[in-house]
Amino acid sequence: RKEVEQDPGPFNVPEGATVAFNCTYSNSASQSFFWYRQDCRKEPKLLMSVYSSGNEDGRFTAQLNRASQYISLLIRDSKLSDSATYLCVVNKEQAGTALIFGKGTTLSVSS
Amino acid sequence: DTGVSQNPRHKITKRGQNVTFRCDPISEHNRLYWYRQTLGQGPEFLTYFQNEAQLEKSRLLSDRFSAERPKGSFSTLEIQRTEQGDSAMYLCAIGTPTVIWDSPLHFGNGTRLTVT
Repeated sequence: RKEVEQDPGPFNVPEGATVAFNCTYSNSASQSFFWYRQDCRKEPKLLMSVYSSGNEDGRFTAQLNRASQYISLLIRDSKLSDSATYLCVVNKEQAGTALIFGKGTTLSVSS
Repeated sequence: DTGVSQNPRHKITKRGQNVTFRCDPISEHNRLYWYRQTLGQGPEFLTYFQNEAQLEKSRLLSDRFSAERPKGSFSTLEIQRTEQGDSAMYLCAIGTPTVIWDSPLHFGNGTRLTVT
């Protein structure tokens, strides 16, 4: 099983749609979880951290299920500017170790 | 501005040549990471420094690769005897000085290496 696995893309949605991305991780000792966004030929940028209780930042909601080792990202009211690749990120096994990235899921929002 | 400067932005080299990339965090960050990213893949971890100590190295980091962070500030990544498979974007990232348990990384804009 890969360390971090994400939904295969691409996701093609119209503006205003709600879209959900899923991610699973293999190491139950992982403690830190993030979603990053990457635009074409640019560096990844932090979108949001993922907390155990779930958290929201505007149109974006992240959820964590430790029992199932599953992370999700929900985007409501999609905008054209949300078109990008979304990367699920998990720390390797304990605090201060490497962050492991999934392959990413590509979102394309059209008008 | 993420606070990480990488040079050069692009490097084209012939197979068999050595290349060196540099990463300069603008301010002090004790954790510095190198990642490699190829098309269609997420960034792959290469190595990590805590101050000047190299604490972790991926199996991806063959003996042709070496990284240093001599004074705990800037870092260099050298690839010897480059191969076409080394063509990728090389990303440097810094760990933000927050609680260790929740420490996202902030990336520089990378060095794109093309080996011909």
